[in-house]
This record gives sequence, C-alpha cells and structure tokens, in this order.
Amino acid sequence: ETGVTQSPTHLIKTRGQQVTLRCSSQSGHNTVSWYQQALGQGPQFIFQYYREEENGRGNFPPRFSGLQFPNYSSELNVNALELDDSALYLCASRLQGRRGPETQYFGPGTRLLVL
Amino acid sequence: AQTVTQSQPEMSVQEAETVTLSCTYDTSESDYYLFWYKQPPSRQMILVIRQEAYKQQNATENRFSVNFQKAAKSFSLKISDSQLGDAAMYFCAYEANFNKFYFGSGTKLNVKP
Repeated sequence: ETGVTQSPTHLIKTRGQQVTLRCSSQSGHNTVSWYQQALGQGPQFIFQYYREEENGRGNFPPRFSGLQFPNYSSELNVNALELDDSALYLCASRLQGRRGPETQYFGPGTRLLVL
Repeated sequence: AQTVTQSQPEMSVQEAETVTLSCTYDTSESDYYLFWYKQPPSRQMILVIRQEAYKQQNATENRFSVNFQKAAKSFSLKISDSQLGDAAMYFCAYEANFNKFYFGSGTKLNVKP
C-alpha cells in the first residue's frame, strides 16, 4: 500500500463526453502528477501540480486539465473524449522540499474505456 | 528531447538466479534522476531503486542493484537471487528539473520455479 488512492477504479464513457478522475494523495505531499498508461506501454506524463499550480506538462492537448486541492486531493479532467483516451490513468504524489523531490508514490489507477 | 529506451520487451529467469534488465536514455541535462519501478499484475507501481546522476556510486537496495554508466547513458538493473514475487513489469524512468517524468516501454520479467 502506498497511501495514494484513486476513484473510480473503472469507468466507461462514450466519445465526446467529459470525465473527471480523482486522486487522494498521502498527507503532507505537496506535489501530484498524472500519467496515462495505454495497454502494454509505459506511463506517459500528462502534467504535475505543485502547491495547487501546474508546474510541468507533457505532450497532451489542453482538453486534459487538472486541479489540486489543499486537502491533498486532486482531479484529472478530460473533455471531448476520444477513443485513444482509453487507458489506465495513474496519479502519483510526493513531497518537494528544500532537498528536492522525494520518492513518488503511485495510486492503483483508474481504467477508462471510451466507446 | 528526453527519451528512455528498454530494448527487452520480455525476459525470463530461473528462481534464485540473477537477471539484468537494460535501459538507455537520451538527455542534454547534466543533473537528473533515474529510477526503476516495478508494476505487478495488481497494477500499483512501486519504486525499486533510484540513482542520482551526480553520484558515481551505483545504488543498491538489498537484492537489487544498478549499473549506471553516465557517459554511455545506460542504467541497467540487476536482480540477484530472483524470487517468484519479482515477476512483474519493470519500467525504467528518468526525471530532470523536478517537473517532468519519462518512462520506458517496460520489460516483462518472468520468474520460473
């Protein structure tokens, strides 16, 4: 157990819809990152939030957006869903301090299927 | 651009023996971090070992050790005394500037009893 939880575990949507995925970080972790993992591939970095602001982004379009809240929870929102958005979505949290970032702890993921 | 390459899609090892997983990366940064993560069939990603690029000494965690060759941009993982519980997908990963993370495509490790 890593102390990071995600909800829901599975989700089915249709093309064009919008989806919100949720993550609950370890207490005290000020940084959360989101990843997309297509079947049989490695995770792809979507973006990172530090103290409620986005401070890094991978090659994902603006329809992928996020929020981080003071209570160590966060959201990933995806608008105008496409078939290729079907994947496992992982969140990971960690503490960034004066010594730099600590280890990332991953959640179990949300499996999204877009029909 | 930063990329991480794992050239072995799948590997097998006999229980109690040693196996080495390969990883190469491309970067123009001088300071960065490298990681090996394990993802069992239950999906939760677990950190196996971490290496800071400024450290010349190879990281070791119990049965897991790395061979970090900075000039060659190579970062291999050695698993000694392999156990059945080591069977999983293993991902090599790279991070620089503390705000972007790159994973390789993974190596599936099978452990034979």
